[in-house]
Amino acid sequence: AQTVTQSQPEMSVQEAETVTLSCTYDTSESDYYLFWYKQPPSRQMILVIRQEAYKQQNATENRFSVNFQKAAKSFSLKISDSQLGDAAMYFCAYRSGVQAGTALIFGKGTTLSVSS
Amino acid sequence: DADVTQTPRNRITKTGKRIMLECSQTKGHDRMYWYRQDPGLGLRLIYYSFDVKDINKGEISDGYSVSRQAQAKFSLSLESAIPNQTALYFCATSSGGAHTEAFFGQGTRLTVV
Repeated sequence: AQTVTQSQPEMSVQEAETVTLSCTYDTSESDYYLFWYKQPPSRQMILVIRQEAYKQQNATENRFSVNFQKAAKSFSLKISDSQLGDAAMYFCAYRSGVQAGTALIFGKGTTLSVSS
Repeated sequence: DADVTQTPRNRITKTGKRIMLECSQTKGHDRMYWYRQDPGLGLRLIYYSFDVKDINKGEISDGYSVSRQAQAKFSLSLESAIPNQTALYFCATSSGGAHTEAFFGQGTRLTVV
């Protein structure tokens, strides 16, 4: 079975600085997708970024980028120029590409605080 | 209106009571999911459904049941609520492609006293 591990329960960063959230996963599959979701205090789950395993190029969405290391099964999220609105819980998630529509498997989350 | 709507948003119930959490979606997706979120445990899958006739147990289905009344509606029931079912519950939907994101409802905060 696939597992997702986020080893940092809490992280902090100052405004305008850069922070990296770690995620590792375990799978025997070669076809899969990885996601980062943000959960602000409103508790809404918001997709931040996604990565296809077959793509070598790291995904980027504005200030958010990933470092995808397929061999190491690592999928870290880098937030540049951090803003107060980035304060939230961040979840890393895995979805199998073998069976379409399978459920996302989540890590335990990392709470990010941002100080001014 | 939200694409994925959960009702109620918050609920307090007593031990032993039956309670139903409802989810409806306007995304037109055939896949629907129920997750439970607990502090320090992330989101764990309770049940999922690929269409009206297909219901599957997830990681933590004991003590829960579901009903897929229509493509757009997927409800979660606690037949006899217990305090350790106190949690934040999320409904989610997705289309068939593995690359597609899941869309989440606003969550239901359930407290069992």
